[in-house]
Amino acid sequence: NAGVMQNPRHLVRRRGQEARLRCSPMKGHSHVYWYRQLPEEGLKFMVYLQKENIIDESGMPKERFSAEFPKEGPSILRIQQVVRGDSAAYFCASSPSGVGEKLFFGSGTQLSVL
Amino acid sequence: QKEVEQNSGPLSVPEGAIASLNCTYSDRVSQSFFWYRQYSGKSPELIMSIYSNGDKEDGRFTAQLNKASQYVSLLIRDSQPSDSATYLCAVNMPGTGRRALTFGSGTRLQVQP
Repeated sequence: NAGVMQNPRHLVRRRGQEARLRCSPMKGHSHVYWYRQLPEEGLKFMVYLQKENIIDESGMPKERFSAEFPKEGPSILRIQQVVRGDSAAYFCASSPSGVGEKLFFGSGTQLSVL
Repeated sequence: QKEVEQNSGPLSVPEGAIASLNCTYSDRVSQSFFWYRQYSGKSPELIMSIYSNGDKEDGRFTAQLNKASQYVSLLIRDSQPSDSATYLCAVNMPGTGRRALTFGSGTRLQVQP
């Protein structure tokens, strides 16, 4: 299966811990997007990356959140010192060529902060 | 005004009927429009894309776009209980400077057997 792979599917953290979410794009895709979804709400854009570059991070909170997409390996969304309000589903999507293109989503990571 | 606006529903239709889902957007220079289906607890799945004014048909689905009115819709013919899901409208919005699709909050569709 060459789809978008996210792991872990479920992540439980206590307040103050760090959460690391991983995403491998579809084969042949070099554009990765992270979205957050709260219950009964739509998808909120967080960050758009290409290999080794952050293209648009306008949706990402200025503190505690960071993202990377290294030359080798998956894209990582990192949340430091998690708070209960960070509990949400985090979806990664990829596209072959960027802006205006259709997105293909991974299965998501459900983050629960105790 | 929300950037991408959808009626949250639920929209309830009987099996076999036509379901009509609507979406309006705020950016006059938007060029790419998508409909995604999301089952409860699952990830969004692309079902239609449309880029030009008019209608685009794919099986039981028809997407309609009117850029002058900043309006895009999705029609589902012969609705089935398996179509019960939340439908998300997604739009690129270059006028905002954002380089990613903007999603509406979704319309929940219920197809009654």
